[in-house]
Amino acid sequence: KQEVTQIPAALSVPEGENLVLNCSFTDSAIYNLQWFRQDPGKGLTSLLLIQSSQREQTSGRLNASLDKSSGRSTLYIAASQPGDSATYLCAVGRGSYQLTFGKGTKLSVIP
Amino acid sequence: AAGVIQSPRHLIKEKRETATLKCYPIPRHDTVYWYQQGPGQDPQFLISFYEKMQSDKGSIPDRFSAQQFSDYHSELNMSSLELGDSALYFCASSARTSGATDTQYFGPGTRLTVL
Repeated sequence: KQEVTQIPAALSVPEGENLVLNCSFTDSAIYNLQWFRQDPGKGLTSLLLIQSSQREQTSGRLNASLDKSSGRSTLYIAASQPGDSATYLCAVGRGSYQLTFGKGTKLSVIP
Repeated sequence: AAGVIQSPRHLIKEKRETATLKCYPIPRHDTVYWYQQGPGQDPQFLISFYEKMQSDKGSIPDRFSAQQFSDYHSELNMSSLELGDSALYFCASSARTSGATDTQYFGPGTRLTVL
């Protein structure tokens, strides 16, 4: 059974810092990996999707990398802003396309 | 751009009652997924449909059933509700392409409270 772990569970940084969120998964036979953002009590906003054949994806200040063989992904956020404060979820997709989520990293960016 | 629509957004039910949640996928998306997120928990996959056929089944209780209709909207029917069913229920949709998997786009969720 696929297990997804996100470290750290919570992170607090001053505005302007660059930061890295980590995600690891136990079964490397994945089809894709998706990073989401969730604000309290709200829905999930898709940030980046990395196909299993890809190494990284970039969108604005966000960069996600994937090392399938080691079962790891990182989400790099450049020049963090208070509006980036949210919970970031990593989700791994397998053959049937269902997603298995990690428990998330709660990010607080302090002005 | 059109997003996934879920209704109702909030629902309050008593124990042992029945609830129906609706999901309208993004236009031209052929796959619908249902997830349950309990308080402080990560989303758990329940069930998915591709072209109106059940595609995969996760941790969906036998008390729950779902289907996808000819217009691609989906409904999650929940019977004999229990207190533990209180959660945020998300619907997601994607456009499956041959040989690849696409981004799942999530709706805003339906918050179900069982009293």
